[in-house]
Amino acid sequence: AQKVTQAQTEISVVEKEDVTLDCVYETRDTTYYLFWYKQPPSGELVFLIRRNSFDEQNEISGRYSWNFQKSTSSFNFTITASQVVDSAVYFCALSAPSTGGFKTIFGAGTRLFVKA
Amino acid sequence: DVKVTQSSRYLVKRTGEKVFLECVQDMDHENMFWYRQDPGLGLRLIYFSYDVKMKEKGDIPEGYSVSREKKERFSLILESASTNQTSMYLCASRRDTGKSRYEQYFGPGTRLTVT
Repeated sequence: AQKVTQAQTEISVVEKEDVTLDCVYETRDTTYYLFWYKQPPSGELVFLIRRNSFDEQNEISGRYSWNFQKSTSSFNFTITASQVVDSAVYFCALSAPSTGGFKTIFGAGTRLFVKA
Repeated sequence: DVKVTQSSRYLVKRTGEKVFLECVQDMDHENMFWYRQDPGLGLRLIYFSYDVKMKEKGDIPEGYSVSREKKERFSLILESASTNQTSMYLCASRRDTGKSRYEQYFGPGTRLTVT
């Protein structure tokens, strides 16, 4: 079965705290792609990052970092020194041959509140 | 930058009306998608298209149809709107080759209310 689980429904932090959003995926494919998207209150989903299954290097982009671990089927997202503008719903997603032509399966999302 | 636009941000229609939601992308992407997003249910795929005049059913196609006459345009049609189709509708596009393959780019969404 192809599945993406984001166990955290909502997280609330105070500005400048670090926060990690968890993502666990299931797939039987050896080639697959993982993604994170951000949906701010305006509603438009914004692509943040793509990782393919052969690249386990962690990635850092400013205050954002991603930790991909195939051994635990996890692709976690950390925001360092959070800001109010980070308040949004964050979706983890998976595309793989078994999802049907690399269709994207989304997790349920984690709503992040960052308080000033 | 990829730009995906949707014809309306907010739409109010009456039960039984025929509703057209339009989506246009400007990056020559082969694939286009329609999702609906409801609280507690996440994003669910309605239909997608991998080429002009081609379409495939997603997870919840009942009550909807689509049209793709040109590569840049993908329309979602509610033949006879019902109250249970009140939702946020999101259009997306992507390419399946190249550096940005499988990355989806979304429009701003259309919040449809059927009364």
